[in-house]
Amino acid sequence: AQRVTQPEKLLSVFKGAPVELKCNYSYSGSPELFWYVQYSRQRLQLLLRHISRESIKGFTADLNKGETSFHLKKPFAQEEDSAMYYCALSGSGNEKLTFGTGTRLTIIP
Amino acid sequence: GAGVSQTPSNKVTEKGKYVELRCDPISGHTALYWYRQSLGQGPEFLIYFQGTGAADDSGLPNDRFFAVRPEGSVSTLKIQRTERGDSAVYLCASSIDRNTEAFFGQGTRLTVV
Repeated sequence: AQRVTQPEKLLSVFKGAPVELKCNYSYSGSPELFWYVQYSRQRLQLLLRHISRESIKGFTADLNKGETSFHLKKPFAQEEDSAMYYCALSGSGNEKLTFGTGTRLTIIP
Repeated sequence: GAGVSQTPSNKVTEKGKYVELRCDPISGHTALYWYRQSLGQGPEFLIYFQGTGAADDSGLPNDRFFAVRPEGSVSTLKIQRTERGDSAVYLCASSIDRNTEAFFGQGTRLTVV
């Protein structure tokens, strides 16, 4: 069975400090990994996906198949990064995404 | 509005009643997805349409849940004999195809009393 684990429900970080949101997964095969973000009173939206290898809003995530992890990182947190972050995986494209329970990130001014 | 639209935004219904939730995808998007999000949880997959057909309905929890997309655009999620455990936010998303970014609607909050 496929599973996504986000061990931190809540994470508070000072502005300017580095951020790391943890994500571990369980999947037999080669999954596609995603990070989604939901800002206050806004819709869930895609932040980044591992196959695109992009840096979005200063965030990056590297797929580590050995550790089955896809942690989200940003070197210097900004106040506008405060949001709910969900890690997700699929076997192929957008089909049947499996989401983690999410981490609420709060940036302290 | 160019985004995914879901109606109603809120629905309160009595246990045992029938409800329909509507999703208007972005024009031209052939792929459409329904998810359910319970309090404190991440979204949980329900069903995926490619065009008019349900390509994967393995996430529907039981036969009280049914979804249609008759013309390959608007989709309706139908829940019969609602139960209190059905209370959740129901999310719809659409994408040009299964490999491009999926855009989510604002969700319908269903409360069964």
